[in-house]
Amino acid sequence: GNSVTQMEGPVTLSEEAFLTINCTYTATGYPSLFWYVQYPGEGLQLLLKATKADDKGSNKGFEATYRKETTSFHLEKGSVQVSDSAVYFCALSFTGGGNKLTFGTGTQLKVEL
Amino acid sequence: ETGVTQSPTHLIKTRGQQVTLRCSSQSGHNTVSWYQQALGQGPQFIFQYYREEENGRGNFPPRFSGLQFPNYSSELNVNALELDDSALYLCASSLATTGEQYFGPGTRLTVT
Repeated sequence: GNSVTQMEGPVTLSEEAFLTINCTYTATGYPSLFWYVQYPGEGLQLLLKATKADDKGSNKGFEATYRKETTSFHLEKGSVQVSDSAVYFCALSFTGGGNKLTFGTGTQLKVEL
Repeated sequence: ETGVTQSPTHLIKTRGQQVTLRCSSQSGHNTVSWYQQALGQGPQFIFQYYREEENGRGNFPPRFSGLQFPNYSSELNVNALELDDSALYLCASSLATTGEQYFGPGTRLTVT
């Protein structure tokens, strides 16, 4: 079946550091890929997405590129802020499958001053 | 525009009891999906409703059931609660089954 694997957390960075959170997927076919963010006590918010190979999703300084050859969708940000502290989830879906999302286990990011 | 809302926010039940969770979809959205998020895990797809019909189900037993109403709001019912049902239950609405999903804040269910 389909699955998503993320690097384990927590990831602790100093403010203005470079962020990478690794995500790889296993799927039959070519899914759409997503990064969601969950702030403490809140639901999930879509951060960015990519629907086909080599697409780059970007939002709020975060970006991720859909790499078909390595089945990866790593999340990056050049300079993190304390306000970026949250749990980040990588996910995939297939339009034909009702768009149900398959999530990774999440990576907690802590940014310190 | 009102976003996705869920009620109640928190709930404590005893093993063996039944529970109903509610979700109001975002205005204009006709599709609702439910997810279970255990502590420290990613959300797991329970089922989806489209125009009042179930449109796909994840690997959950039949004691997890749902409804969607003509106004597209939805309920998740869980019978014979087990301790492992303790989780955050997330509802997401979308415009048709192909649309982007918008999540509500969730209902935290604790089973003792």
